[in-house]
Amino acid sequence: NAGVTQTPKFRVLKTGQSMTLLCAQDMNHEYMYWYRQDPGMGLRLIHYSVGEGTTAKGEVPDGYNVSRLKKQNFLLGLESAAPSQTSVYFCASKRDTSYQETQYFGPGTRLLVL
Amino acid sequence: AQKITQTQPGMFVQEKEAVTLDCTYDTSDPSYGLFWYKQPSSGEMIFLIYQGSYDQQNATEGRYSLNFQKARKSANLVISASQLGDSAMYFCAMREPAAGNKLTFGGGTRVLVKP
Repeated sequence: NAGVTQTPKFRVLKTGQSMTLLCAQDMNHEYMYWYRQDPGMGLRLIHYSVGEGTTAKGEVPDGYNVSRLKKQNFLLGLESAAPSQTSVYFCASKRDTSYQETQYFGPGTRLLVL
Repeated sequence: AQKITQTQPGMFVQEKEAVTLDCTYDTSDPSYGLFWYKQPSSGEMIFLIYQGSYDQQNATEGRYSLNFQKARKSANLVISASQLGDSAMYFCAMREPAAGNKLTFGGGTRVLVKP
């Protein structure tokens, strides 16, 4: 049982390049989330999904796209990377709507855009 | 408007002493949840404790307790008997019913435990 995994762990991009971050969970969770964390700050929600085939915008969605074609995977895409997207990206998942249950976080992907 | 506010950017605490981390929140929804997470230097987010808005008693989990004052909209984390391994960033977060039960995070408090 690996929990939430993220690929890659670290990546350097040049401005204008594209990439996809992969989040995978093996807990059969319905809800999945992508957050970004900038230095010295808390996490901010980029996009989220409440089930397979669904996606919705979070607090800071501009410049990102997502897809949830399979329940266990949530992909975050950067079509044309910008230096402002240099950040640490966290994926999280949650089983259902129960209030007290925490989100389970992946280890993070550190992205540097030059 | 900031929904979660952590006013202490950093704190020192002596090993074996208790420390209180402040968190205030803002919401008009009567139903919400409050979480605390620990982020050590390795970067992972570790869930510590949860308090629901309708919970009558303050939450406790081992050395962690949450001082929940609903009328004042505060949810302070108390760490008792601090250990060197408690040195980390600590984040307060709030869950509201909207937006897929997303979490809104505060800016965090860095705790450094001195031997």
